[in-house]
Amino acid sequence: EAGVTQSPTHLIKTRGQQATLRCSPISGHTSVYWYQQALGLGLQFLLWYDEGEERNRGNFPPRFSGRQFPNYSSELNVNALELEDSALYLCASSFTRTQGSAFFGQGTRLTVV
Amino acid sequence: AQSVTQPDIHITVSEGASLELRCNYSYGATPYLFWYVQSPGQGLQLLLKYFSGDTLVQGIKGFEAEFKRSQSSFNLRKPSVHWSDAAEYFCAVGGTGNQFYFGTGTSLTVIP
Repeated sequence: EAGVTQSPTHLIKTRGQQATLRCSPISGHTSVYWYQQALGLGLQFLLWYDEGEERNRGNFPPRFSGRQFPNYSSELNVNALELEDSALYLCASSFTRTQGSAFFGQGTRLTVV
Repeated sequence: AQSVTQPDIHITVSEGASLELRCNYSYGATPYLFWYVQSPGQGLQLLLKYFSGDTLVQGIKGFEAEFKRSQSSFNLRKPSVHWSDAAEYFCAVGGTGNQFYFGTGTSLTVIP
């Protein structure tokens, strides 16, 4: 069974541009979570999508947004990129009502220059 | 508010020695607690989790953790460390749904 897959693996963007990161959950999982892992800041919760709806978001500005598609895959969009957005972005998926069932992808390394 | 503290940023142990990584949490209700491991450039792999019941939890790769409610702690242990255990270790508490709150991580170096 395929795990959580994220694309691209690496992404290099210029300050002010937009970045789009993609996540395909494990088959049957309806919830997708996004986390940012910036150097020195640990793992910060970004967004939670379930059944196509945004259920919760962390303490990030509105230029971080996303969506979940009918097949439960998800996109994370970061507009007006800033240098400090450089980080590893991790996606996780789970069954919504099964606590502790989240599995993580390998991440997308976003570098803003 | 939920939070997790990992007091040790970096730990170095000799191969074959025992290991204990500390984790303290703050959570209003009965916590769901997790330990994850991250190898360089990789995602997170679940080592073990605690929901309820026996406070000593066994995980993969020979790791175990003990939940101590009185100390708000969930420390990770391994009796004998292998060189392949060198990695970053994250403690997390589970919030609503499967939204996690992570500690800042402990980097483990294993010396031969």
